[in-house]
Amino acid sequence: GQQVMQIPQYQHVQEGEDFTTYCNSSTTLSNIQWYKQRPGGHPVFLIQLVKSGEVKKQKRLTFQFGEAKKNSSLHITATQTTDVGTYFCAGRPGGSEKLVFGKGTKLTVNP
Amino acid sequence: DVKVTQSSRYLVKRTGEKVFLECVQDMDHENMFWYRQDPGLGLRLIYFSYDVKMKEKGDIPEGYSVSREKKERFSLILESASTNQTSMYLCASSSGAIRETQYFGPGTRLLVL
Repeated sequence: GQQVMQIPQYQHVQEGEDFTTYCNSSTTLSNIQWYKQRPGGHPVFLIQLVKSGEVKKQKRLTFQFGEAKKNSSLHITATQTTDVGTYFCAGRPGGSEKLVFGKGTKLTVNP
Repeated sequence: DVKVTQSSRYLVKRTGEKVFLECVQDMDHENMFWYRQDPGLGLRLIYFSYDVKMKEKGDIPEGYSVSREKKERFSLILESASTNQTSMYLCASSSGAIRETQYFGPGTRLLVL
């Protein structure tokens, strides 16, 4: 089926370093959503991007949607230990009615 | 706030048992979903439902069935549990609007012995 690819699968950083996860689709996405799952928890919605080239910020988190609406990124500036968890992107490739999740990027932060 | 609850946080069953996982949401959402989550494989969609008594297969429906008799409740059934169904099961719901976000339950960690 349609896939949304997410890289890297794992990322380990020192506290204070930046972190970025990338999401790509071979077909246009009608929108892109980002979720965060804390260890032992469940995915929680962070944000949705809809427009081509859209950029949104939430404190130290910056979300981008590519001009072609085929890729997206989540960037965290100066990571903190509270940022640990798995970050998922999700989108609807090729107009699919189903939301397709990336496999997630697991972030660990060394204090 | 939307609340999605799942009947059990942890469950241990034996191979061949019939297993019922229940999910209830309190926001009158039309759409409900069942996923399983395994390390390195992300979230995989098992079944979903856009309305009462309606169901659609997701990406990995084999070995599972679902039931949606009431709008707020979506049940996942493992007809004959097998060890490869040991996993974390997550239920989610969303409104009927396009581009809707999904709200997840706390998950059920199922161990099949």
